[in-house]
Amino acid sequence: SQTIHQWPATLVQPVGSPLSLECTVEGTSNPNLYWYRQAAGRGLQLLFYSVGIGQISSEVPQNLSASRPQDRQFILSSKKLLLSDSGFYLCAWSVPLTGEATGELFFGEGSRLTVL
Amino acid sequence: GENVEQHPSTLSVQEGDSAVIKCTYSDSASNYFPWYKQELGKRPQLIIDIRSNVGEKKDQRIAVTLNKTAKHFSLHITETQPEDSAVYFCAAIVYGGATNKLIFGTGTLLAVQP
Repeated sequence: SQTIHQWPATLVQPVGSPLSLECTVEGTSNPNLYWYRQAAGRGLQLLFYSVGIGQISSEVPQNLSASRPQDRQFILSSKKLLLSDSGFYLCAWSVPLTGEATGELFFGEGSRLTVL
Repeated sequence: GENVEQHPSTLSVQEGDSAVIKCTYSDSASNYFPWYKQELGKRPQLIIDIRSNVGEKKDQRIAVTLNKTAKHFSLHITETQPEDSAVYFCAAIVYGGATNKLIFGTGTLLAVQP
């Protein structure tokens, strides 16, 4: 069966420090991968998505970047964190939407980032 | 791009009553509409979905309806129970090549009062 792992679960970082959140998926090949941010415990904002190794699409201009060095690995990074980067970050994967595939997203457990 | 609006933002019902959450979408090309439930401190999980070739779908106490002409879809929960309390998100898929880019609504906090 497929599983998704995301870490660290919680992170407290000072303003201006770097960030690296990592996500890996097991049990599937060539998944679509996503990073979402959830601020104030409510809305899910799509930050990045990837359909393959080295292929990253950015949804909103921001202080963050994403990379996909391997098929099932997705990394969210920042060189210098801002206070506004605080939030709950969720990695997710899905099967590419073809035929009768539903496009269901499977989320990781999330990483709660607090920037002080 | 796709824009999904969801309301109400909060909903409080008595146990046993029905709850309805409504969403509208902007991109007429969207053809898959899932609903996710997120309990406090946990990850969102799919509870029901509907494709554009279907007008209604039921799964026990939950149902989703879709009106493609009006570009809106709704989640209906009957006989609500305290464990239904959570944040519910609607979403719509925008087709962009080989990817399914899911755009979420802003969420509805449902509180079921015992």
